[in-house]
Amino acid sequence: EVQLLESGGGLVQPGGSLRLSCAATGFTFSSYAMGWVRQAPGKGLEWVSAISVGGVNTYYADSVKGRFSISRDNSKNTVYLQMSSLRAEDTAVYYCAKDDGGGSLEYFQHWGQGTLVTVST
Amino acid sequence: QSVLTQPPSVSAAPGQKVTISCSGGRSNIANNYVSWYQQLPGTAPKLLIYDNNKRPSGIPDRFSGSRSGTSATLGIAGLQTGDEADYYCGTWDRSLSAGVFGTGTKVTVL
Repeated sequence: EVQLLESGGGLVQPGGSLRLSCAATGFTFSSYAMGWVRQAPGKGLEWVSAISVGGVNTYYADSVKGRFSISRDNSKNTVYLQMSSLRAEDTAVYYCAKDDGGGSLEYFQHWGQGTLVTVST
Repeated sequence: QSVLTQPPSVSAAPGQKVTISCSGGRSNIANNYVSWYQQLPGTAPKLLIYDNNKRPSGIPDRFSGSRSGTSATLGIAGLQTGDEADYYCGTWDRSLSAGVFGTGTKVTVL
């Protein structure tokens, strides 16, 4: 059974940094691209970032480009999202998701339960 | 703001059918596969449709998807109270080199 477990969320001040982790089990992690999707309170889904199988190719939404960095450690079956220069508008539940489109990043079939990031003083 | 536009809400009586539209452009829907997700309150999204019209194992055939040009449509037939949720379309955008989701549609069963 595929399981994705996010961690690292919490309260951070504006301008601060936070690193989210997503531990994966139940599949060959190194064979799948991974992504992050967020959802601000009461708002819709927002695609945030994704990383290719080997980690060479990374992709970002314009809203986080230059501030967020995605990476992966295939030896630990974990994907990370390093977030810096955080803003109030980054407050959201962050979901980790597994690309099931053969690397096309066109859809995510498996999702974690999410971790809440709150940016506030 | 999202590049994919959906109606904010749709509603119908139990047993009826609803359709949800997702309007995009040449850089996304027209040239990439579309997926659809259902999100119940307080839960993670659930994949309903991928590759425009395919259903993952376990998704009933009451849910259907189609794509034409720069738009896609999700159909829900035989509406049930358990279908009350938010629905999102999604795809890849070649111009942005990023994924995109629709604005979301709330389905209400009257």
